[in-house]
Amino acid sequence: QLQLQESGPGLVKPSETLSLTCTVSGGSISNSSYYWGWVRQPPGKGLEYIGNIYYSGSTYYTPSLKSRVTISVDTSKNQFSLQLRSVTAADTAVYYCARVRITATVYDAFDIWGQGTVVIVSS
Amino acid sequence: DIVMTQSPDSLTVSLGERATINCKSSQSVLYNSNNKNYLAWYQQKPGQPPKLLIYWASTRESGVPDRFSGSGSGTDFTLTISSLQAEDVAVYYCQQYYSAPFTFGPGTKVDIK
Repeated sequence: QLQLQESGPGLVKPSETLSLTCTVSGGSISNSSYYWGWVRQPPGKGLEYIGNIYYSGSTYYTPSLKSRVTISVDTSKNQFSLQLRSVTAADTAVYYCARVRITATVYDAFDIWGQGTVVIVSS
Repeated sequence: DIVMTQSPDSLTVSLGERATINCKSSQSVLYNSNNKNYLAWYQQKPGQPPKLLIYWASTRESGVPDRFSGSGSGTDFTLTISSLQAEDVAVYYCQQYYSAPFTFGPGTKVDIK
């Protein structure tokens, strides 16, 4: 049973960099049938897609965050990571990592999610 | 970006009754070459991550009870819970994966009357 687990600091100061890691267990991050993505949810609000990465390292970032986001993958550790630079209070959210299915070479739904990790941006 | 809207914002339904949630996309999410609608539905209970219920607009994810069904095509979609159970209290989101950035609807909160 594949599982995802987010980890990282729960408190980040304004203007600094938010760094989170998602560890994949029970399966390989190098499986060619999946992308690996990040989604966030501000308190009491809806879901916002941040971006995704393939095991080869190819990435997609949502345009509104593209200038501040880097997603990377470490296949040797079965992990992928999120960095969000120059954070403000508006980046306070629960951050989820998720597995994104690929069906016939196209994107499919987000079928497995981590439990999420709360990140608060505050001095 | 494709904008997703949902209605109603919330609904209260008696146990055993039908719950219907609507989702509309600002442009079609039907890919003509394979006749698939790139639309998913998720359920999120308090303090939990979203759970995939339906993909390709109408395909139930493995393990999802058959009281959940999805329908619609193009820009208009519906999630139906045929007989609401207590454990179905949650917020439900639709999502398009037709074009990046993949966008979610604002959510519909379902509660018991």
